[in-house]
Amino acid sequence: AQSVAQPEDQVNVAEGNPLTVKCTYSVSGNPYLFWYVQYPNRGLQFLLKYITGDNLVKGSYGFEAEFNKSQTSFHLKKPSALVSDSALYFCAVRDNGGANNLFFGTGTRLTVIP
Amino acid sequence: NAGVTQTPKFQVLKTGQSMTLQCAQDMNHEYMSWYRQDPGMGLRLIHYSVGAGITDQGEVPNGYNVSRSTTEDFPLRLLSAAPSQTSVYFCASSQVGPGPKQYFGPGTRLTVT
Repeated sequence: AQSVAQPEDQVNVAEGNPLTVKCTYSVSGNPYLFWYVQYPNRGLQFLLKYITGDNLVKGSYGFEAEFNKSQTSFHLKKPSALVSDSALYFCAVRDNGGANNLFFGTGTRLTVIP
Repeated sequence: NAGVTQTPKFQVLKTGQSMTLQCAQDMNHEYMSWYRQDPGMGLRLIHYSVGAGITDQGEVPNGYNVSRSTTEDFPLRLLSAAPSQTSVYFCASSQVGPGPKQYFGPGTRLTVT
């Protein structure tokens, strides 16, 4: 069965500093991995995905994620955090059973401190 | 494009009442799904559909029904509401394929008293 884990409920970072939001995964077969962001009282928005190819994936709003097969991780990163990046971030893995179903992590709340 | 729309935005039900949460998309997506979001639990899949006339259960289907008579619409029915169904419900859609991004609606906040 597929699953993802986000070990940190909360991440605080100062504005301008680099940020990392952690995600580890467990899948059988090749993983299809995603990051989504949720702003208050809004639906989820797609940030980026890893299907195959380069281990460093670039996405929206200056975010990137590094796929590490040996560590089964897919951490989200940004070189310089903005206050507007404060939101709830979800890592997800696609169901390898065939449909586009996603298994989500429990979410990490990122707070960027001015 | 309006994307994925959901109605209502908020709803309060009494235990035992039934209701339908509406979801529509105008992107001609074959895949549609319903998730519920609960604090500390992320999003969990309730039901999904890979095309008109085809539906299947997700991780937490009990107490919910769905149907897909058209490509655009995917309503979620609560048969007899229970306090455990208090949650925020999200509808999502995407193309069918190995890794398309999903588009989420704005959500419906449901409270069952």
